[in-house]
Amino acid sequence: GQQVMQIPQYQHVQEGEDFTTYCNSSTTLSNIQWYKQRPGGHPVFLIQLVKSGEVKKQKRLTFQFGEAKKNSSLHITATQTTDVGTYFCAGPRGSQGNLIFGKGTKLSVKP
Amino acid sequence: EAQVTQNPRYLITVTGKKLTVTCSQNMNHEYMSWYRQDPGLGLRQIYYSMNVEVTDKGDVPEGYKVSRKEKRNFPLILESPSPNQTSLYFCASSFLPNTGELFFGEGSRLTVL
Repeated sequence: GQQVMQIPQYQHVQEGEDFTTYCNSSTTLSNIQWYKQRPGGHPVFLIQLVKSGEVKKQKRLTFQFGEAKKNSSLHITATQTTDVGTYFCAGPRGSQGNLIFGKGTKLSVKP
Repeated sequence: EAQVTQNPRYLITVTGKKLTVTCSQNMNHEYMSWYRQDPGLGLRQIYYSMNVEVTDKGDVPEGYKVSRKEKRNFPLILESPSPNQTSLYFCASSFLPNTGELFFGEGSRLTVL
């Protein structure tokens, strides 16, 4: 069945270092979404990408959607302790009309 | 304030004792869904609903029931809970099922002894 895979599963960085998480789908996606879950919290929507090759920025966060619309990445420049959490990507599940989530990348930042 | 409200937030129960986790949204969303989150397994969908009286199974529906009698409410029912249903549960809603922001509740941590 359709799968959405994320790597790495965990990432430990020193504050100020950059961080990237990658998302790969087994099928072409009409869109891809990214969510952030702080420790002890619930997932919160960050962004949705729709167009092939799309790049969007939110302050230190850069989101990319691949040309083939099967992969995506989230890059954080100069991480801060406030970036700690788990980052999930999610894409539509074929024609069933619901989202399938990747397993997430858990980011820890050492001050 | 736009929100998804789940209750209870925390519950410890025993095997076989029926329980219901309520979920309510105030955004007039048509789509609602339940997920469970377990370490290393991410968010797995249990059931979802496209509209009132329309529900469908997700990836891990065994041992759960849902109903959608009103647009705002989507309760999750565990008829006979078992220890393998110990998990963190999230209810979520959105205007459309697969595009646009999915709003999550704060989560319900369930322990089945």
